[in-house]
Amino acid sequence: QVQLVQSGAEVKKPGASVKLSCKASGYTFTNYAIHWVRQAPGQRLEWMGWINAANGDTKYSQKLQGRVTITRDTSASTAYMDLNSLRSEDTAVYYCARDLWTTVTAIFDSWGLGTLVTVSS
Amino acid sequence: EIVLTQSPVTLSLSPGERATLSCRASQSVSTYLAWYQQKPGQAPRLLVYDASNRATGIPARFNGSGSGTAFTLTISSLEPEDSAVYYCQLRSSWPLFGGGTRVEIK
Repeated sequence: QVQLVQSGAEVKKPGASVKLSCKASGYTFTNYAIHWVRQAPGQRLEWMGWINAANGDTKYSQKLQGRVTITRDTSASTAYMDLNSLRSEDTAVYYCARDLWTTVTAIFDSWGLGTLVTVSS
Repeated sequence: EIVLTQSPVTLSLSPGERATLSCRASQSVSTYLAWYQQKPGQAPRLLVYDASNRATGIPARFNGSGSGTAFTLTISSLEPEDSAVYYCQLRSSWPLFGGGTRVEIK
């Protein structure tokens, strides 16, 4: 079955960077896009961006453009999300999610359990 | 910029009752709308995609409908385990989510 295993919780200071991982199993990694979605406490879900796992193409939300970078290592079936210049508003649970189809549809079929990132001085 | 507005914010119903959740888009989104269920401390779960297609393994009591700007998720007969927050989501070049409806089971 499809599984997305995310890295552990992080505590960062304002201005720092964080890099999260999302290891996929149970399917051919390069056949599906991986998206990153975050949820600040008590807030709605927010899409951050996606990566085409086959060719590495990416697209990012306009709000986070310039601060977020999504990469992948096909040999490890793992996607990464790097967020820099962290601020308190970036405190959130960060999820990776797989696309439903082999084209990028932004329908989030399978999700990781999430990684809590806390930004605090 | 498209905005998704969900109503009501909270719905409190008894087991066996019918729940009707609404999601309105500020402009037409065709049928590019999905619904997710999120329980406390868990990741969201895909229920319905493209307005009315039930995802794999989702019970038949969950039904989505609508097109254009008005969408509905109906839970035909509530079960205790349906207590959760439900989000609608536009699938587009810039995916976005609604604010959610909390369903409470009395």
